[in-house]
Amino acid sequence: EAGVTQSPTHLIKTRGQQATLRCSPISGHTSVYWYQQALGLGLQFLLWYDEGEERNRGNFPPRFSGRQFPNYSSELNVNALELEDSALYLCASSLHPGNTIYFGEGSWLTVV
Amino acid sequence: GQQVMQIPQYQHVQEGEDFTTYCNSSTTLSNIQWYKQRPGGHPVFLIQLVKSGEVKKQKRLTFQFGEAKKNSSLHITATQTTDVGTYFCATNAGKSTFGDGTTLTVKP
Repeated sequence: EAGVTQSPTHLIKTRGQQATLRCSPISGHTSVYWYQQALGLGLQFLLWYDEGEERNRGNFPPRFSGRQFPNYSSELNVNALELEDSALYLCASSLHPGNTIYFGEGSWLTVV
Repeated sequence: GQQVMQIPQYQHVQEGEDFTTYCNSSTTLSNIQWYKQRPGGHPVFLIQLVKSGEVKKQKRLTFQFGEAKKNSSLHITATQTTDVGTYFCATNAGKSTFGDGTTLTVKP
């Protein structure tokens, strides 16, 4: 069974551009979570989707947004990129809210 | 919302020494999960604890959930260089809150 898959693996953007990151959860999982991990730092919660709805968001500006599709895959959009947005973006999924979450390998976003 | 705090932030040990990281919350937790993230990698699920006072073992790793379900610990016996990484505790009440992690380095 495939785990959580994310694309692209690496992405380089210039300041002011937009970035779109994609995530496919484990088959059957309805909840998808997004985290930002700056180099050497902890996991900062970004967004949680379940059954196509945004259930919670972390303390990030509105230019961080996303959505969950009917097949439970998700995408994270970051508009007006800033240098500080350079980080590893991790997607995770769980069978249902409250269940164990499993991470993908992440997408490295570099803003230059 | 639920928050979890981890200590210590960093731990450097000699290979063969024991290691313990602690996770604390001011509120009662419904569950606690532990993850390991190797340098350059992504967090990998280790275990989940649900019951008050629960103790689980995985080879040299021992996980405990406090009686009041407000704290948890991960203990590694006789560390090896393969144990290096950052260990995170987390609680999933939907939002999935992670502690800041304890980074373990092991000197051969």
